[in-house]
Amino acid sequence: GQNIDQPTEMTATEGAIVQINCTYQTSGFNGLFWYQQHAGEAPTFLSYNVLDGLEEKGRFSSFLSRSKGYSYLLLKELQMKDSASYLCAVMDSNYQLIWGAGTKLIIKP
Amino acid sequence: GAVVSQHPSWVICKSGTSVKIECRSLDFQATTMFWYRQFPKQSLMLMATSNEGSKATYEQGVEKDKFLINHASLTLSTLTVTSAHPEDSSFYICSARERLAGGPDTQYFGPGTRLTVL
Repeated sequence: GQNIDQPTEMTATEGAIVQINCTYQTSGFNGLFWYQQHAGEAPTFLSYNVLDGLEEKGRFSSFLSRSKGYSYLLLKELQMKDSASYLCAVMDSNYQLIWGAGTKLIIKP
Repeated sequence: GAVVSQHPSWVICKSGTSVKIECRSLDFQATTMFWYRQFPKQSLMLMATSNEGSKATYEQGVEKDKFLINHASLTLSTLTVTSAHPEDSSFYICSARERLAGGPDTQYFGPGTRLTVL
C-alpha cells in the first residue's frame, strides 16, 4: 500500500530552527510537495522536490532523498505566523497526490 | 503562483436542501480538478477527481449520486451536495492542477467552503 508518515505535532521556539520529517512508500514517484495549512484555511503550496538534494526558498528549505524515501522541511528564524500544519504529499505513478496526515507546528515565544 | 477561487466561502443550509460549490482557476487552464473534504483536526480526504469534459472519478466510499461533480470547462468545476444532512457538514476544498511545460504539475487550492447543515 501507499503510505506517508510525518510526526503529528512539533513544538519550537520563536527565532529557532525546526525540521519536519516525512517518509514515504508509494507506487511510483513523480515528486514530493510540502504545503502549509493554517487552521480553518486551505493548504498553500510551499515547495516541490523531484531530484535529490536541498531546495532553498527564503526561510524555508526542503530536502529529498529518493533512495531513502525521505524528505524534510526546514524552517529557519521561526515566526509566530509559522504556527500551522505542514502537509507532505507525494505524486505517485498515476500523477495523483498521496497526502500525509500533516504535522501541527506550535511556535512558542 | 496560480490562483484558484472557490464560492461560496461558507454556507448554512437546512437539512434536505442542495448546495452548489464553484471552483475556478483564475489565471490558468486546469484539465484536472480535485475535490477534498476535511473534518476538524483531520487530514485532507480526496473525494473525487474531475477531468474537463468527462465524468468524475470518485474515491471509494464517496456517493457519486450525493456529491455531483461537473467539470464543464477548463476553468470551472462544481460540486453539488444533494439532499444535505448534518453529517455532510465539513470543510470542502477544491484544487486545480497546473501543467507547465518543462515544470512539475502542481496543485493549487481554493480557499475552501465551510458547509454547515442544520
